[in-house]
Amino acid sequence: AQSVTQLGSHVSVSEGALVLLRCNYSSSVPPYLFWYVQYPNQGLQLLLKYTSAATLVKGINGFEAEFKKSETSFHLTKPSAHMSDAAEYFCAVSDWNNDMRFGAGTRLTVKP
Amino acid sequence: DGGITQSPKYLFRKEGQNVTLSCEQNLNHDAMYWYRQDPGQGLRLIYYSQIVNDFQKGDIAEGYSVSREKKESFPLTVTSAQKNPTAFYLCASVGGGTGELFFGEGSRLTVL
Repeated sequence: AQSVTQLGSHVSVSEGALVLLRCNYSSSVPPYLFWYVQYPNQGLQLLLKYTSAATLVKGINGFEAEFKKSETSFHLTKPSAHMSDAAEYFCAVSDWNNDMRFGAGTRLTVKP
Repeated sequence: DGGITQSPKYLFRKEGQNVTLSCEQNLNHDAMYWYRQDPGQGLRLIYYSQIVNDFQKGDIAEGYSVSREKKESFPLTVTSAQKNPTAFYLCASVGGGTGELFFGEGSRLTVL
């Protein structure tokens, strides 16, 4: 089965700074990759998804992610962090059978 | 509006009691999922169902049971056999043709 690894369970940035959340997938190229965001006591919301149409994927709230096959990575970035970006972020991979697997999550803190 | 509804949002249970969490969707999705979320462990798959009257165990099915009698509904029962049931439970369905999961708001179960 596919799997993803998120590097760093906690990331802290200052407001206005670059956000970089790291995700690496298992060696076989997955059909679909996702980033989800979760606010406290809520379900997960889709930020963006990779479906092989383009390696640079733009999502909601100014986030984007780049699929790099050579590095087996799908890191999430945002040029300038806002206080409202503070949340938990999950990278996920899905195969052709809709078997979705999640990373352990990265909690993003934004300092004023 | 289409979506996934989970109830109750908060639930308290005494040890030794079974409890059933409700999940209803009006997205016309075939596949539905139950995940368990614990701090620092991401989401772990409990059960999933690709079609009515059929379901499969996920990674941590022990102590849980499900049914799928209707396309719209996928209730999860947490039985007394589940040794550590206190957790946040998320229901989801898949749609969009790209494996994207749509989540409910979650149910937080606390065993007293």
